[in-house]
Amino acid sequence: DTGVSQDPRHKITKRGQNVTFRCDPISEHNRLYWYRQTLGQGPEFLTYFQNEAQLEKSRLLSDRFSAERPKGSFSTLEIQRTEQGDSAMYLCASRRNTEAFFGQGTRLTVV
Amino acid sequence: AQRVTQPEKLLSVFKGAPVELKCNYSYSGSPELFWYVQYSRQRLQLLLRHISRESIKGFTADLNKGETSFHLKKPFAQEEDSAMYYCALSGETNAGKSTFGDGTTLTVKP
Repeated sequence: DTGVSQDPRHKITKRGQNVTFRCDPISEHNRLYWYRQTLGQGPEFLTYFQNEAQLEKSRLLSDRFSAERPKGSFSTLEIQRTEQGDSAMYLCASRRNTEAFFGQGTRLTVV
Repeated sequence: AQRVTQPEKLLSVFKGAPVELKCNYSYSGSPELFWYVQYSRQRLQLLLRHISRESIKGFTADLNKGETSFHLKKPFAQEEDSAMYYCALSGETNAGKSTFGDGTTLTVKP
């Protein structure tokens, strides 16, 4: 599969723990996006990278959230001190021109 | 602010019937509109974009700036069209990030 890859697919964690997700975009896609999706809602924008530069962050991204794309290739999204409200599907997408390609997402459950 | 509204959470039609999934948006500039589809256990994928003016899998969507709508239509629904459909908007200045509606689950009954 040469599409956008996300790891892990599922994560169950206890409240207060830190978690990190990884996204491998389609190679040569310079733009990478993180979205969050909760049940019954559409994806909500979290943050955006062009190459290694993080150019925009949503207000949804509290101080507990941090994202990186160190070499302009893969990206990580870390959530510190998880809360039950962080339970959601976290989606990554990459694009080069106008079409965005999505990964299958990481489903986070905070117990 | 930009917003996308899909008024129907659920839509059910019989095979062979016409189907229309509604999408309304608010955006002050010139938006780019998309329809994404998510089949069961698959990832979100682009169905069509208003700029390309294509027909994909028999679906079409016309951007109506006067009514700020981008409804998705198909004249004869098929069972394999059953899926979740999301309408999305990208603004001209926001670097490709998209605002999504909350989706419509389409069920095509045999």
